[in-house]
Amino acid sequence: DQQVKQNSPSLSVQEGRISILNCDYTNSMFDYFLWYKKYPAEGPTFLISISSIKDKNEDGRFTVFLNKSAKHLSLHIVPSQPGDSAVYFCAATTSGGATNKLIFGTGTLLAVQP
Amino acid sequence: DVKVTQSSRYLVKRTGEKVFLECVQDMDHENMFWYRQDPGLGLRLIYFSYDVKMKEKGDIPEGYSVSREKKERFSLILESASTNQTSMYLCASSGGYGYTFGSGTRLTVV
Repeated sequence: DQQVKQNSPSLSVQEGRISILNCDYTNSMFDYFLWYKKYPAEGPTFLISISSIKDKNEDGRFTVFLNKSAKHLSLHIVPSQPGDSAVYFCAATTSGGATNKLIFGTGTLLAVQP
Repeated sequence: DVKVTQSSRYLVKRTGEKVFLECVQDMDHENMFWYRQDPGLGLRLIYFSYDVKMKEKGDIPEGYSVSREKKERFSLILESASTNQTSMYLCASSGGYGYTFGSGTRLTVV
C-alpha cells in the first residue's frame, strides 16, 4: 500500500516557467513533509520541508504548499532552470517517533528545457 | 561538512555471492537507513537501525540482513545475491526529521 504517491512520473517545462510537482498521501498521522532532489548517480539531497501546522513554506525559488484536508502537497519552482532537471521525491513522516522514518513517493522526473 | 560515505560507487557481483555494502557517517546520528531505488518504485526501505546493535525490518527486507556494531557504521548484507537485487542502494543517517544520504552504490548482479 503506497502511503505517499507521486502520480506524475515525469514533467517537462520550459526554462523560466513554473514547475509544479504534486504529491498525495493517505496516512492522516503524517505531520511533517519533505522534498528531496536527486541527480543520476548521486544520493538525494534535501530541498525544502513543511510542518503540518503551516500551509506554505518558501525558500528562494522553491515553495511547498500543504493542503491537509486534501492530503496533498505540491512543490513550485519559479523560475525553472535547466539545473533543476532531476528526480524529485516527496517524503512524509510522523514526528515524535523514535526514528522519524521517512516514507517516500515514487518520484517525478523533471526536465527543464532551455 | 557532514558526510555519509558509501564504500563503493559501482559493484558487479555474481549470482549466489555474499555481498557487503558499507556505510559510514560522521554526524554521530542515532538512526541509519538502507534504501534501494528502482525506476517507477521510488525509494523503498530495506532495514533501519536506531541504535548500535539494534535493527528493524523495513518494507522489503527479504534477501537482506544488516549489521551495526558501531554507531557510525551500518552494513547491508546480501546473503546470496540474485539478479533481482540489481539496483541503486542508498544509505542515509538522521539525527532529526531529515536524512543525509550517501552517494549510492550501483550494484549489478550477473
